[in-house]
Amino acid sequence: DSGVTQTPKHLITATGQRVTLRCSPRSGDLSVYWYQQSLDQGLQFLIHYYNGEERAKGNILERFSAQQFPDLHSELNLSSLELGDSALYFCASSVVGANTGELFFGEGSRLTVL
Amino acid sequence: DAKTTQPPSMDCAEGRAANLPCNHSTISGNEYVYWYRQIHSQGPQYIIHGLKNNETNEMASLIITEDRKSSTLILPHATLRDTAVYYCIVRRGSSNTGKLIFGQGTTLQVKP
Repeated sequence: DSGVTQTPKHLITATGQRVTLRCSPRSGDLSVYWYQQSLDQGLQFLIHYYNGEERAKGNILERFSAQQFPDLHSELNLSSLELGDSALYFCASSVVGANTGELFFGEGSRLTVL
Repeated sequence: DAKTTQPPSMDCAEGRAANLPCNHSTISGNEYVYWYRQIHSQGPQYIIHGLKNNETNEMASLIITEDRKSSTLILPHATLRDTAVYYCIVRRGSSNTGKLIFGQGTTLQVKP
């Protein structure tokens, strides 16, 4: 158990819909990272938040947005869903800016878009 | 951050050492080598990291060549539970963000 909690674990929805994925980082971790893993793309970095502020952005679509709240949990919002958005979405957390490089990953949220 | 090259797949017999190579010929002086693994769609798991000295922990050993252009992750006594995708990642030690960029990794199959 990494200490990172993601909900929901599984989600099935239809094209055009909007979903929200939630992540609770490890106690004390200020950084939250979101990754997407689809079959043909591998693990893709989406976005990094540190203490409520966006620190880095990767290959995140404009239809996707994220935020980190004052209690440090984070949400990833996916809108106008397409079939290709079906993937595993991982959240990770780390201490501060994580110069040690150790990220702790949750078990993921599996999104299926039909 | 420097790019890495890993073989796409490897096999290892149970109980034997698994040696997973990684090439990072463009690594800079302030970049660390990290290893993570992902067991069948679970969240990736940190294994070990190093700068230039060899490192060992309860999971594995990391051997970095003197010129730092390549490294090897060693699982001393591989078990079936070590079957996973292993990722070698290079990242700056001092960074405004701790993001890690994953490549395709090496799929290690441990066989009985």
